[in-house]
Amino acid sequence: KQEVTQIPAALSVPEGENLVLNCSFTDSAIYNLQWFRQDPGKGLTSLLLIQSSQREQTSGRLNASLDKSSGRSTLYIAASQPGDSATYLCAVRGSSGSARQLTFGSGTQLTVLP
Amino acid sequence: DVKVTQSSRYLVKRTGEKVFLECVQDMDHENMFWYRQDPGLGLRLIYFSYDVKMKEKGDIPEGYSVSREKKERFSLILESASTNQTSMYLCASSVFGEKLFFGSGTQLSVL
Repeated sequence: KQEVTQIPAALSVPEGENLVLNCSFTDSAIYNLQWFRQDPGKGLTSLLLIQSSQREQTSGRLNASLDKSSGRSTLYIAASQPGDSATYLCAVRGSSGSARQLTFGSGTQLTVLP
Repeated sequence: DVKVTQSSRYLVKRTGEKVFLECVQDMDHENMFWYRQDPGLGLRLIYFSYDVKMKEKGDIPEGYSVSREKKERFSLILESASTNQTSMYLCASSVFGEKLFFGSGTQLSVL
């Protein structure tokens, strides 16, 4: 069964810093991986989706990478801002059968200090 | 932009009540999902649907049922609400293999 881990559970950085959030998964037979942002008490907002054949995706100040063989993905946030404060979750979609459903990590709570 | 709308932002119900949580999406997505999110447990899949009138159990279907009579609407039903069903409920939709779009969530409290 796929397991998705995000370490650290919480991270606090000063404004302007570049940072990396980590996501690891146990089964490399994935279809794609998605990064989400969640603000307190709200739903999840999709940030980036990386297909299994891709190495990275970029959107504005965000860059997500995928290394399937090592079971890792990173979300790079450039020039962080207080508005980036939120919980970031990664989710992995398997490539067959019931594994096609998304498995979520527990998230990294990011605080960007002004 | 895709919009996934959940009918209630906050809901308070009594133990034993029948509860309906409604979700509507406006992008003609085949796939719709119901999750619950609890501190320390993360997101857990309750039920999902790949097509109208089709449903499949997720990881924690006990105590829940669903209905999908129309493509845009996916309802979650708590037949007899219990206190351990107090949670944040999140609906989502997607085209298979593509981005998952979530509603803003329903915080349900069962007293």
